[in-house]
Amino acid sequence: AQSVTQPDIHITVSEGASLELRCNYSYGATPYLFWYVQSPGQGLQLLLKYFSGDTLVQGIKGFEAEFKRSQSSFNLRKPSVHWSDAAEYFCAVVSDNYGQNFVFGPGTRLSVLP
Amino acid sequence: NAGVTQTPKFQVLKTGQSMTLQCAQDMNHNSMYWYRQDPGMGLRLIYYSASEGTTDKGEVPNGYNVSRLNKREFSLRLESAAPSQTSVYFCASNRQGSNQPQHFGDGTRLSIL
Repeated sequence: AQSVTQPDIHITVSEGASLELRCNYSYGATPYLFWYVQSPGQGLQLLLKYFSGDTLVQGIKGFEAEFKRSQSSFNLRKPSVHWSDAAEYFCAVVSDNYGQNFVFGPGTRLSVLP
Repeated sequence: NAGVTQTPKFQVLKTGQSMTLQCAQDMNHNSMYWYRQDPGMGLRLIYYSASEGTTDKGEVPNGYNVSRLNKREFSLRLESAAPSQTSVYFCASNRQGSNQPQHFGDGTRLSIL
């Protein structure tokens, strides 16, 4: 069965520091991968997506992610974190050819120190 | 620019009561979904509707029923609420196709006493 792991439950960084959130997936075919962000009391907002082509994808709010097939990873990065980035981040993979079943990771909560 | 709208935003029920969570989208999407979110478990799919007139079970369908009322609306019903159904429920929608991201509502926070 397809699965997504996010090894870090909670990460704390200082404002202005760089950020990397890890995501690993288990999926036999070429995956479609997504990163979402959830602010407190809100729904999930799409940050970026990977389907094919360039393995480094750019998203909104200055985020980027790199797909590494050899490592089954799709890590999210940001060069300089802002206090408003404090939120929960979810990695997701589409588990079938029809896109009907997104499999979400458990999430990583990001705290930002002033 | 409403996107996906869920009602109510908060609800407290007693064990055994029933209720229906409403979801509507104005993006002309074919597919709609219901998830529950519990701490440390991410989002788990309850039911989905690939298109108007069809519904299918997801990972955790027990205790729930759904209705795809029309292309815009997809409701989730708890017939006899149990404390284990205390959760945050999210509705989502997308165009058909495996590369189409899902768009989410703001959630319904449901407590079962």
